[in-house]
Amino acid sequence: NAGVMQNPRHLVRRRGQEARLRCSPMKGHSHVYWYRQLPEEGLKFMVYLQKENIIDESGMPKERFSAEFPKEGPSILRIQQVVRGDSAAYFCASSPEGDQPQHFGDGTRLSIL
Amino acid sequence: AQRVTQPEKLLSVFKGAPVELKCNYSYSGSPELFWYVQYSRQRLQLLLRHISRESIKGFTADLNKGETSFHLKKPFAQEEDSAMYYCALLNNAGNMLTFGGGTRLMVKP
Repeated sequence: NAGVMQNPRHLVRRRGQEARLRCSPMKGHSHVYWYRQLPEEGLKFMVYLQKENIIDESGMPKERFSAEFPKEGPSILRIQQVVRGDSAAYFCASSPEGDQPQHFGDGTRLSIL
Repeated sequence: AQRVTQPEKLLSVFKGAPVELKCNYSYSGSPELFWYVQYSRQRLQLLLRHISRESIKGFTADLNKGETSFHLKKPFAQEEDSAMYYCALLNNAGNMLTFGGGTRLMVKP
């Protein structure tokens, strides 16, 4: 079991471009969580998804950010019209059920020029 | 609202010394707490959870509801314990982890 896979590991975008971050959960896990870590801060919850459903997006900014977890394929976190403040590490986690321990990926480090 | 506080950003000890990484929380429900560790160049991984009451790599943590604390302890630190440690609280719905800001533990030879 390869664990939670995130790609790319590093992503560089210019202001105004779109960023797409991918997360493949561990085999057998149908619950996916996205967290953001700003420099010198802890991880902050963004969104929780199950297959084809957003369960809780209370931590996600209302504009420019969206997430999906389609029936087939990885979960995608999409950031449109990126700004410098979006520079952060974005972590994905998965669990087999909602109340089970979450297993984390290596994260994607997003840098905005 | 749930909140997790790790008051120390950096904790430096000598090998063989006792270690205590502090974690305080505020939560109106029944808390479920975790410690995660991130070694250099590795992913965040679960170290222990309070409901399992186990000792992992010599670390233990006891939930103290009176003091709303979940401090991580180890009697004799090893150099390989050097890492970032995050305390986290799971909400009652079981879908959101709230993390503290993390404590970097440095164990000197």
